[in-house]
Parts: sequence; C-alpha cells; structure tokens
Amino acid sequence: DAGVIQSPRHEVTEMGQEVTLRCKLISGHNSLFWYRQTMMRGLELLIYFNNNVPIDDSGMPEDRFSAKMPNASFSTLKIQPSEPRDSAVYFCASSFGSGDFYGYTFGSGTRLTVV
Amino acid sequence: AQRVTQPEKLLSVFKGAPVELKCNYSYSGSPELFWYVQYSRQRLQLLLRHISRESIKGFTADLNKGETSFHLKKPFAQEEDSAMYYCALKTGANNLFFGTGTRLTVIP
Repeated sequence: DAGVIQSPRHEVTEMGQEVTLRCKLISGHNSLFWYRQTMMRGLELLIYFNNNVPIDDSGMPEDRFSAKMPNASFSTLKIQPSEPRDSAVYFCASSFGSGDFYGYTFGSGTRLTVV
Repeated sequence: AQRVTQPEKLLSVFKGAPVELKCNYSYSGSPELFWYVQYSRQRLQLLLRHISRESIKGFTADLNKGETSFHLKKPFAQEEDSAMYYCALKTGANNLFFGTGTRLTVIP
C-alpha cells in the first residue's frame, strides 16, 4: 500500500480563486481527518469523517471551507474563495477505527500559498 | 474535556546530551498516549505508542498516571533527532487529540 496520498504537493494560487485539495486513504481505513498546520497555530483539526460521514466539522474556519468524502477511499477539501490567511500546510490522515488502534497515518501534505 | 500540554515550544540540546520532551495530559477515561515526529518538511510519523512499550530510534516514553505525564526521553541526542514532536491522546474510538508540539534542535 502506498500510504495516504495527497495531491497536489504544492499549490500557489491567487486570492479569490478556488482551491481543491485531494486525499486518498489507505485501503481498509474508515476514518479520515483533515488538519491545517501553521507556525502560529500549530496543528489544527478541521474536520473528520467516519465511514464517509462527517462527524465533527467544528474546526472548519468558515463557510469558505468545505470537505467531502464521495466514497470510502477519497476525500476533497475545497476553499472558495481562497484568501492569503489560508496559506498553510494541509494534511490528511486516515485510521482504522476497530480493534487495536495504531494511530493515524498521515499524508505528505499540500503546501498552499495564496498570494 | 481532554487536554494535552507540551510546555516547551522550543528545546535545544547538545549532541550526546540527554533529552526529555514533556507531555502532560488531562482525560477522564483510560489514557492511551502516542508520540509523533515530523522531520523538516515531511509528514507526521508515528514514533511510539505507550501500550507497545517499545523503544524506537533510542526514544522511550513511560505513562505515569499519577503525574498524568508521558514524557519522551532519549539518553544521547543525535543531530538527526532534530524535528517537531507531537504528543497525542486517544479520545473516543479512534480519535487523537494532539498537543501543540515541541521543536527539538540538536546542536552539533
């Protein structure tokens, strides 16, 4: 298994543009987490899904952010319209929520720069 | 409510010196703790879990329920240990609550 795969690795966009970040889970994992990492605020949980259902989106900054999980292996995080303060590294992570818990497996992240 | 406290944002030690990264937690349930490491511009990786009682890359961590701590220790720091370290607490069935992290710098 190639692990959790995120794309793109880097994204530079202009303020006001729509940005879509993608994440492919590890096969068999049933929970998906989106995090944002910045120097100022560290690691912030934005939203997580369990069995494709959003469970807690209280960390989503505002209505400009939305996340979907159209199937068991794929998720998107969309920012529309993007703003410079959205610049951060966005990680997704997956886990298997049954039996022995081995923690999360993280993707390599998407470094977003909004200019 | 759960809480994970990593009191040091930055920690510098000399190569060969012992290192201890502090982590304290607050949780009403039975605690299960993890340490994650993030090397420069890389993904977060699981370093160790307390229930495994393992030593990874020379690091160990013991859960002290009396002091509600899960400090990460290594007797002799190496330059390649320089990284960001996150302590995490399992809450619920499969959720992790992360601390704010400690950036460790090992000085040659």
